[in-house]
Amino acid sequence: DGGITQSPKYLFRKEGQNVTLSCEQNLNHDAMYWYRQDPGQGLRLIYYSQIVNDFQKGDIAEGYSVSREKKESFPLTVTSAQKNPTAFYLCASSMSGYQPQHFGDGTRLSIL
Amino acid sequence: AQRVTQPEKLLSVFKGAPVELKCNYSYSGSPELFWYVQYSRQRLQLLLRHISRESIKGFTADLNKGETSFHLKKPFAQEEDSAMYYCALRDNTDKLIFGTGTRLQVFP
Repeated sequence: DGGITQSPKYLFRKEGQNVTLSCEQNLNHDAMYWYRQDPGQGLRLIYYSQIVNDFQKGDIAEGYSVSREKKESFPLTVTSAQKNPTAFYLCASSMSGYQPQHFGDGTRLSIL
Repeated sequence: AQRVTQPEKLLSVFKGAPVELKCNYSYSGSPELFWYVQYSRQRLQLLLRHISRESIKGFTADLNKGETSFHLKKPFAQEEDSAMYYCALRDNTDKLIFGTGTRLQVFP
């Protein structure tokens, strides 16, 4: 099943550590997105990138960082500044021109 | 402010009953609306979008600009429809704004 691959599926982090979540897509999509999913809150946008080497903050960017050095990759780093990092993280991608977003399987991050 | 509201966290129906999952939005421009679905142990996937005006798996949704609604309907629910449903609005910067989701449970 190609498309969007997120890894790892489960991730554990110690307090004070940075951790990076991987998102790779082979759909040749221009735009990529990171969402955080918490129970009862739906999906909230963290960062998005509409083109290589460019990205914008979403609604809850504090404590997170991203890079977009390659079209197919959009890694998300959860820094120690993120006070409540335990959540389910979803990556998505879409063609430019307002096409629907396709989602990965997600990564569940937990704090030890 | 741009917002998508799904007032029901949980909707439970019996197989064969009609289903309506409510979605209301607040947006100053011309909205583009979607319904996404997440079945158990599967990834979030697009169910339908209002500009397509199509029926997917028996579901339909009509954009009502007067009532700012985009309710998802199906005349006869099936057990396999049990899932989490999210309504989403795309704004003019190509971002999706999601509702909080409604869990549909269809009992046999």
